[in-house]
Formats: sequence, C-alpha cells, structure tokens
Amino acid sequence: TQLLEQSPQFLSIQEGENLTVYCNSSSVFSSLQWYRQEPGEGPVLLVTVVTGGEVKKLKRLTFQFGDARKDSSLHITAAQPGDTGLYLCAGLPTGTYKYIFGTGTRLKVLA
Amino acid sequence: DTAVSQTPKYLVTQMGNDKSIKCEQNLGHDTMYWYKQDSKKFLKIMFSYNNKELIINETVPNRFSPKSPDKAHLNLHINSLELGDSAVYFCASSQGRRTVSNQPQHFGDGTRLSIL
Repeated sequence: TQLLEQSPQFLSIQEGENLTVYCNSSSVFSSLQWYRQEPGEGPVLLVTVVTGGEVKKLKRLTFQFGDARKDSSLHITAAQPGDTGLYLCAGLPTGTYKYIFGTGTRLKVLA
Repeated sequence: DTAVSQTPKYLVTQMGNDKSIKCEQNLGHDTMYWYKQDSKKFLKIMFSYNNKELIINETVPNRFSPKSPDKAHLNLHINSLELGDSAVYFCASSQGRRTVSNQPQHFGDGTRLSIL
C-alpha cells in the first residue's frame, strides 16, 4: 500500500516563527500537490510540483520537491494566524492516475 | 458562484437507513470524484467518473453506489448505513480524462455524515 507520511502531525507555534512540514514516501511521484484545508471547508490547492528538485514560492510559502521525487517539504516564513489549517500533500504515483493523500499536518499559529 | 457544491452539508441518520448525497460542479470539468475523510482527517478516494464513465472504483463496500447523470453531476447513494460510515464525504472535480499531473482538484465543502 502506497503511503505518504507527513510530519509533524501537529504543530502549534507563535506568530512570526518559521516552520517546515515534510511529506515522505518510498514511492516515486509524477507530481505532488499541497493543499490547505480550513475547518468546515474542502481542501484548496496551494501548489503543484512536477520536476525533481523543483522549488516554488508562493509569498511566504516555499515548496520543494525532492530530487528523487519521493518527498516534498513546505516551509512557511514568519507564520501568521491566517496560516492556521490542515496541510495535506497529495502525490500521483508514476504509472497511476489517482492521487494519494498524505496523513496531514494540523498547524495552529497563535497571535 | 460556488464551483463545486454538495448537498446536504450535514446528514444525521439512523443505522440501517439509505441516504444520498448530491454534487454539482459548474467548472466545465470532465472528471469528478468522491473522497471520504475520516476522523483523523485522512482523505481517501472512493470513486471517480469521467464524462459519466466510472474510471476509479476503490475497495469500497457495494453499499456505496455512485451515479453520474451527466458530467456536471455526481451523486453518492449509500444503502444500509453503518456506524463506520460516519465521516466527511467530499466531492471534487478536475479537468481532463485522467488526473493529469498538473491539474488541480477543486473540492466541495463536504457532507458531514453522522450515524446514530
């Protein structure tokens, strides 16, 4: 069974701190997406990465796809309370056509 | 305009009942999905349809039956509801026949199903 492990599972930090969330697997992915989900809503796509080693920046968020396309990280600089939510990675294993979702990281940023 | 809308948002019912959840998307997408999110927030795909054709059918009890009357609608009917069916069910849509690598999935806000 393919599995995407995210770490940490829970993270509570103060406003202004930096953090990194990891998404790891033993499978190789054609692409990997990061979503953020707020309570009572569905996940919303933040970014898609498709090339090994790729780095994408979205304001204070930096996403990296591992060279071997088996892992990814999300780094948030100067976290704000508005960053609070559930962060999900989702990978498309090579040769397949369905995304598998990670185990999730619940982030809480305190003012 | 809501891109992917699900009804109802909340569904509380007794064990053994039959219920349906409806989903509609106005994005013109070709592919629609049903996901189940459990109490630990793990999101798992159940079904996927492309232009009314079933293309993904995960290991789901046959009490769950999806129906797609047209490419903008995907409904989920559940027979003989069990306690373990309590979860949040999300509908999603994306462009393209298969899940193309760079295509985002657009999710509805979920249906919270609680079995008493």
